Amino acid sequence: AQTVTQSQPEMSVQEAETVTLSCTYDTSENNYYLFWYKQPPSRQMILVIRQEAYKQQNATENRFSVNFQKAAKSFSLKISDSQLGDTAMYFCAFMKHEGYQKVTFGIGTKLQVIP
Amino acid sequence: DVKVTQSSRYLVKRTGEKVFLECVQDMDHENMFWYRQDPGLGLRLIYFSYDVKMKEKGDIPEGYSVSREKKERFSLILESASTNQTSMYLCASSSGGRNQETQYFGPGTRLLVL
Repeated sequence: AQTVTQSQPEMSVQEAETVTLSCTYDTSENNYYLFWYKQPPSRQMILVIRQEAYKQQNATENRFSVNFQKAAKSFSLKISDSQLGDTAMYFCAFMKHEGYQKVTFGIGTKLQVIP
Repeated sequence: DVKVTQSSRYLVKRTGEKVFLECVQDMDHENMFWYRQDPGLGLRLIYFSYDVKMKEKGDIPEGYSVSREKKERFSLILESASTNQTSMYLCASSSGGRNQETQYFGPGTRLLVL
């Protein structure tokens, strides 16, 4: 079974600064997907960024980037130039490459962007 | 845009009542999921379905059942609601094709069982 660990229950960052959210996972699979999902207060969960394990290059989406370390089973999210709209719960998630797309989520990190 | 809707944002029920939570997606997705979200526990998978009339147990299926009679609709049923089922319930869907693994979530139903 896969496990996803987010060790930072809450974090805060000043507007325009950079923040990194940590995530580690445990799996015996070699091919899989990793995701960061964002859940703003009282709003729907949306995908922020995803990484395919067989790709060595770290994924980036505008101000969001990941540091994927496959050997260390680490998948951190970096948010640059933080904005007030980045305030949200962030969930790290894992999915095997094969199968019925069952996703395992971490417990989440609550990020507060301070004006 | 993919749209996933849930029948209620807030629901209050009494212990022992039968509760239906409905989820509808409009993108012809094969896969649909029901999660519950609790503080400190993240999202936990209750049931999922990869086709009409097909269902698979997730990590915490006890006390729940599901129904998928049509491709776009996935219902979660609490046969006899209990107070420990007070939670936020999230529905999600995804396409079954390659590179279509992103899950799209509904707004959630906050259920209170008294």
